[in-house]
Amino acid sequence: EVQLVESGGGLVQPGGSLRLSCAASGFTFSNYWMSWVRQAPGKGLEWVANIKQDGSLRYYVASVRGRFTISRDDAKNSLYLQMNSLRADDTAVYYCSRDVQDRYKYHFEYWGQGTLVTVSS
Amino acid sequence: QSVLTQPPSVSAAPGQKVTISCSGSSSNIGNNYVSWYQQFPGTVPKLLIYDNNKRPSGIPDRFSGSKSGTSATLGITGLQTGDEAEYYCGTWDDSLSGFYVFGTGTKVTVL
Repeated sequence: EVQLVESGGGLVQPGGSLRLSCAASGFTFSNYWMSWVRQAPGKGLEWVANIKQDGSLRYYVASVRGRFTISRDDAKNSLYLQMNSLRADDTAVYYCSRDVQDRYKYHFEYWGQGTLVTVSS
Repeated sequence: QSVLTQPPSVSAAPGQKVTISCSGSSSNIGNNYVSWYQQFPGTVPKLLIYDNNKRPSGIPDRFSGSKSGTSATLGITGLQTGDEAEYYCGTWDDSLSGFYVFGTGTKVTVL
C-alpha cells in the first residue's frame, strides 16, 4: 500500500524557515517524480514544486522560486521542502504527492494527509 | 492566480448530469493532458480522471473526462448526494520554465 506521511509543519514567524519531510513507503520511491502541493485555508489547490526521480530536474511555482528548495533522499525514501523567508501567504496545508510523468502527461496519483504550516507573528 | 478557469459552482438534482468546464490556453491544456481531482471538505484531494479521459481503479464510470483544443470537461452522470465536493482540473504549463497549474475549482451541489 502506498503511504505518504508528511511532517515538519507548525507555526513560524514571517521571515523564518521550516523544513517539511515526506516519508514514503509501499513503492519504489526512486522510480517516481514527487511534488509538493499546498492549499491555503478556504482556498484552492496550488502546486508548489516537483523533482525528477534522480533529482536532476526541479520546478517551482513562481511565488516560491528562490525561497523554497525541494530535495529527495532515495536511500531514506524521503522527500523534503526547505522553506525560507516565509510569508503570511505561505500559510497552507502542504501535501506530498507521488506523481506520474510521461512527455505531455503529468498527474498526482497518490497524496499524503498533509501538514499545516502557519506563518504568523 | 490560476490560468485554468472553472465555474465557481454547478448544481443539479439527484440522478441528473452536470458538466464542469476547464478553460486554458495553448501552453497548458492545448499541449498537455488534463487530470481532474475531487476533494471533500476537510479531506485530501483524490485523483478522479487522468490523461484527459482515463479513470483510476475504483472510480465509477459515472465520471468522464474529455478535452478539445484548449478546454477540458468533466462530466458526472447519475448525480448522487455523495458527489457533493470540490473539483479541480490540472495540467502542465509549458510557458516560462514550466510549471503545473490547477484550475480555480468548482463546487458541485446536489439539489
